[in-house]
Amino acid sequence: KQEVTQIPAALSVPEGENLVLNCSFTDSAIYNLQWFRQDPGKGLTSLLLIQSSQREQTSGRLNASLDKSSGRSTLYIAASQPGDSATYLCAVRRGSEKLVFGKGMKLTVNP
Amino acid sequence: DAMVIQNPRYQVTQFGKPVTLSCSQTLNHNVMYWYQQKSSQAPKLLFHYYDKDFNNEADTPDNFQSRRPNTSFCFLDIRSPGLGDAAMYLCATSRDLVGTYGYTFGSGTRLTVV
Repeated sequence: KQEVTQIPAALSVPEGENLVLNCSFTDSAIYNLQWFRQDPGKGLTSLLLIQSSQREQTSGRLNASLDKSSGRSTLYIAASQPGDSATYLCAVRRGSEKLVFGKGMKLTVNP
Repeated sequence: DAMVIQNPRYQVTQFGKPVTLSCSQTLNHNVMYWYQQKSSQAPKLLFHYYDKDFNNEADTPDNFQSRRPNTSFCFLDIRSPGLGDAAMYLCATSRDLVGTYGYTFGSGTRLTVV
């Protein structure tokens, strides 16, 4: 059974820091991995999607990497801003099985 | 912009009174999903539709039902809401069953049961 872990569960940093958010999964036979952002009381916003054949994806200040063999993905946020404060979730898909989420990491960026 | 729209954003219902949540999409995606998310937890899949084919998760209570009258709309019906059903309900779509192009989520409906 696929399990997805995000550690730590919460992180508080001052504005301007470069951040690395971690996501680990137990079964490396994934189809793809997606990073989401969730603001309080809101739905999920897709940030980046990495296919199993890819090593990384970039969008603006965000960069996500994937290392299937070690069962890890990292989301890198450059020059963090207070507006980046949210919960970040990663989710993996293995073939026709359902999407499996981590519990998320709550990020607070302080001005 | 193509999107997934959920209505209402907030819903208050009485204990035991049937309630329906709505989801519509302009993406023309084949698959629509309903998730339940409780505070500080990961979203939990309730069921999904692939076109008209309904797939229920084994642990989804019978109290939860769904309808998909056409490609664009999907409804979540809770027949007799209990206090434990208070949660955020998320609708999502994907183009295919394996999520090749990822998933798109709506803004969610926060359900309160009084």
